Order: sequence, then structure tokens, then C-alpha cells
Amino acid sequence: GEDVEQSLFLSVREGDSSVINCTYTDSSSTYLYWYKQEPGAGLQLLTYIFSNMDMKQDQRLTVLLNKKDKHLSLRIADTQTGDSAIYFCAESIYRGSTLGRLYFGRGTQLTVWP
Amino acid sequence: GAVVSQHPSWVICKSGTSVKIECRSLDFQATTMFWYRQFPKQSLMLMATSNEGSKATYEQGVEKDKFLINHASLTLSTLTVTSAHPEDSSFYICSAAPDRERSPLHFGNGTRLTVT
Repeated sequence: GEDVEQSLFLSVREGDSSVINCTYTDSSSTYLYWYKQEPGAGLQLLTYIFSNMDMKQDQRLTVLLNKKDKHLSLRIADTQTGDSAIYFCAESIYRGSTLGRLYFGRGTQLTVWP
Repeated sequence: GAVVSQHPSWVICKSGTSVKIECRSLDFQATTMFWYRQFPKQSLMLMATSNEGSKATYEQGVEKDKFLINHASLTLSTLTVTSAHPEDSSFYICSAAPDRERSPLHFGNGTRLTVT
């Protein structure tokens, strides 16, 4: 079955880098996603990576994918207090369909201290 | 970018009444939309997959008669919580993706339902 694991909490100081880690189990995952959720809000798509890629960088965000270990990470450079939120890792699996369902981790609560 | 709008943002209703939540894709067409439920400090649980012009597909354990889904057009899906009870209080979020192949899912801002 599909199982996505994340650590639940991460605290960093403002200006430092944050690294949020995620592991998944289904090797047929096609896309892996990072979503951000602020209190009382829905999910904001931050970035995603194809499973045939190793790395993707988008401004302060760097996603690293290790397919062999089924490990995904999100690095946020120069973390700001506004980055405090819950970050969800998700995998999607396409099986004969153009639209796959998402399987979510439990989310990592990132707290940024000034 | 792709925008998903959800309405209302929050609703308080009395036990026994029904509540309708709307999910709209504002700048794209979505044949399929997904409805999730999120409990406090927990991950998202997929409730059902909404298919335009056909019946929704419900996940195991989700009562289809309680959570009625109607996907009447390519830009609108509705979730109606019928005969709501306090245990139905939760955060409901919809998501959709453009009908292009393998587009990423975008989420609405969620609806906080409180049943008193």
C-alpha cells in the first residue's frame, strides 16, 4: 500500500535553512509534491517533482529526490517567520488514468523563531 | 495559475440540518474533483472522487447517503452533508486539476463546518 511518512515537528531560527524530510513506499509514484498549509486555510501547492528527476530548485525552495531510498526532502533557504506552517509531502500514483489520487503524509509543523 | 474556489469558508449549523459546500475551478475545467476531510492536527483523508456527469466514487467507510456529491458541470462540484451531527464537524477541502494529462492538484481554501 501507499505510505508517506514525515517527522511531525521542526523548529529553526529565522535566516537559517530548513530541511523537511519525507519517505514514501510506492516505487511507482509518478509525482511527488510539497504543499503548505497555514492555520485555517487550505493547501497551497509549493512545488512538485517528477519521479525521474533528482532535484528541482525554485527560488528559496530546493527539492531533492532519492528514488533508491524513496526519500524526498524540501529545503527552504533563508527561512522567514512567514514560512511557519504545516508542510505536507504527497505522492501520486497514476495507474491507467490521467489523474492520480494523492497520498499524504501527516504533515510537518515548521516553527520559525525570530 | 490554476485556482480552486471553495464556499463557504466556514459554516455553523444545527444538528439535523443539511449543509452544502461548493467547489469551483475558476480558470480551468476539471472532469474530476476530490473531496478531503481533515481532522485537527491530522492529515487529509480522501472522502470521494467527484466525476462530472456520473456518480462519485466514495472511499471505504464514507457514507454516500450522508455525503452527497454532485458534479454537475466541468467547473463545479458540491458536497452536501445531510442530517449533520456534531461528529461531522471538521475541515472539508476540495481539490481539482486541469484536464491536461497529469496536472498537479490544486486545493480550495477549505470549509470549516461546525455542527452544534
